[in-house]
Amino acid sequence: GNSVTQMEGPVTLSEEAFLTINCTYTATGYPSLFWYVQYPGEGLQLLLKATKADDKGSNKGFEATYRKETTSFHLEKGSVQVSDSAVYFCALSDLDYKLSFGAGTTVTVRA
Amino acid sequence: SQTIHQWPATLVQPVGSPLSLECTVEGTSNPNLYWYRQAAGRGLQLLFYSVGIGQISSEVPQNLSASRPQDRQFILSSKKLLLSDSGFYLCAWSEDYGYTFGSGTRLTVV
Repeated sequence: GNSVTQMEGPVTLSEEAFLTINCTYTATGYPSLFWYVQYPGEGLQLLLKATKADDKGSNKGFEATYRKETTSFHLEKGSVQVSDSAVYFCALSDLDYKLSFGAGTTVTVRA
Repeated sequence: SQTIHQWPATLVQPVGSPLSLECTVEGTSNPNLYWYRQAAGRGLQLLFYSVGIGQISSEVPQNLSASRPQDRQFILSSKKLLLSDSGFYLCAWSEDYGYTFGSGTRLTVV
């Protein structure tokens, strides 16, 4: 079956620091990969996605590259802000359209 | 444009009481609909999904049920809540790999 393994948190950073959240997956087919973000008190929002190998998703300064050879989709941001404090979820979707989520990583950015 | 409405935003219910959470979508027809739950300190777990009216698939055995009485309405229910039903419930719809989530319902069973 499909599964997502995500770097455990919590992660605490200072403003302007570099952020990486590791994500690896297991899938039987050729899934689409996603990063979702959940800000405090809110629902999930799509942050970025990639639908095939070597695709790079990017949004709000965040990037992630679909690496089929390492089955990874690591999230990166070069300079974080306090407003990036949130829970980040890696997820995949296969042909059945169902999302499989990682456990989530809580990121706190301090001024 | 497509929108998704989920209510209520928060709910506190006693153990043994019934539950009904409603989700409706607008701006699309025949969407795939989903109910996810996020328990405290854990990731999201798919509870139910539906590909059409009256078609419900359950992912995990539990104290909950789902129904889809209309094309764009998805309801999560329980006859008798347990403490372990507490969590953050999210409705979502998808179309061609695009997912949109509702704002969620935080349920606390006391």
